[in-house]
Amino acid sequence: QVQLQESGPRLVKPSETLSLTCTVSGGSITTSYWTWIRQSPGKGLEWIAYFYHSGSTAYNPSLKSRVTISVDTSKNQFSLNLSSMTTADTATYYCARRFCDRSSCPFDLWGQGTLVTVSS
Amino acid sequence: DIQLTQSPSSLSASVGDRVTITCRASQSISIYLNWYQQKSGKAPDLLIHDASNLQSGVPSRFSGSGSGTDFTLTISSLQLEDFATYFCQHSYNIPFTFGPGTKVDIK
Repeated sequence: QVQLQESGPRLVKPSETLSLTCTVSGGSITTSYWTWIRQSPGKGLEWIAYFYHSGSTAYNPSLKSRVTISVDTSKNQFSLNLSSMTTADTATYYCARRFCDRSSCPFDLWGQGTLVTVSS
Repeated sequence: DIQLTQSPSSLSASVGDRVTITCRASQSISIYLNWYQQKSGKAPDLLIHDASNLQSGVPSRFSGSGSGTDFTLTISSLQLEDFATYFCQHSYNIPFTFGPGTKVDIK
């Protein structure tokens, strides 16, 4: 059974870079698309980016200039870096699997989420 | 960006009630529409994919319909464990977006 777990800091200062890691267990990171999504009271659920291990990536244009996704297949992990953090980036960040055996490529598995607060 | 609107934003219902939630897209998205359930403090769970296909393990009281711009999620007989917030999400193009959610609580 595939499971996802986010890890990273809970508190980030304004202007700093957020670094989060998602560890995939029970399955290989090389067999699916993987994605980052965040949720805040003000903006609701917001898709950030997805990638496939072969290098295919896509970003939300609203965040693209600040987002970097990387993958470590040896550790079955992928990471999100979001630069120039502001209070507007305070949110719960989720990693999820994008399951493209279905036409609509739904997000069928989610991590539990990690609340990140931006504050000095 | 494709905007998704949901109605109602919240509703109160009783166990056994039939509940219908609507999601409308700002342009045609064919059937590239998914529905999720989120309980307080938890991550969303996939209920319906491709507008009308029940995700494995989801009770059959949940159903979805629609195509183009108008979609519906129906719960045929509301159970206690169904009190939650429901979101639609499109995957027609980038950026994928979510609806604002419909909160279903106990009457």
